[in-house]
Amino acid sequence: DAKTTQPPSMDCAEGRAANLPCNHSTISGNEYVYWYRQIHSQGPQYIIHGLKNNETNEMASLIITEDRKSSTLILPHATLRDTAVYYCIVRVGPSNTGKLIFGQGTTLQVKP
Amino acid sequence: DVKVTQSSRYLVKRTGEKVFLECVQDMDHENMFWYRQDPGLGLRLIYFSYDVKMKEKGDIPEGYSVSREKKERFSLILESASTNQTSMYLCASTKGQLSGANVLTFGAGSRLTVL
Repeated sequence: DAKTTQPPSMDCAEGRAANLPCNHSTISGNEYVYWYRQIHSQGPQYIIHGLKNNETNEMASLIITEDRKSSTLILPHATLRDTAVYYCIVRVGPSNTGKLIFGQGTTLQVKP
Repeated sequence: DVKVTQSSRYLVKRTGEKVFLECVQDMDHENMFWYRQDPGLGLRLIYFSYDVKMKEKGDIPEGYSVSREKKERFSLILESASTNQTSMYLCASTKGQLSGANVLTFGAGSRLTVL
């Protein structure tokens, strides 16, 4: 099973880009990288996912290294509402097991 | 807006009580999941279901059971609640098999306290 490693916490100034790293050195070729976030006392919220190519949506950008062993989630203009725990996940198991293993995540604190 | 709705946000129960946590999704999703979340332990998968009347054990099924009688509803049952089941319970769903293109939609969570 591919595992992920994230820094436990990060700070970011409001209005600046937040760059959240994730290492997944044992990822296999058909595993996707997902990012979710969890604001205090709410359920996790999907942000973005990718396989090989960089991805961008209205919330964030995902940069995956060429060897796929690491990735970076970018929040281009962080706001106070982006303060949350961010989880980097790779999907494990056969397709019908439904397992997504959540690690400890990175607590992002956006400061005014 | 698509939704996963958990029936209770906060519950307080006594040791030994039978507890039902209900989850309903309106997205016609095949897969549904129950996780529990505890400080320092992250989210742990209890049970999941990929079809009506189907269920699979997750990583920590002991002390729990589930019911999936209708596609939209997935219930988590604590037959005899214990204090170590005090936790945040999260329901999630996704359409079809959990392929790379599918993502989980989570409910808001149910915080259970067992006294």
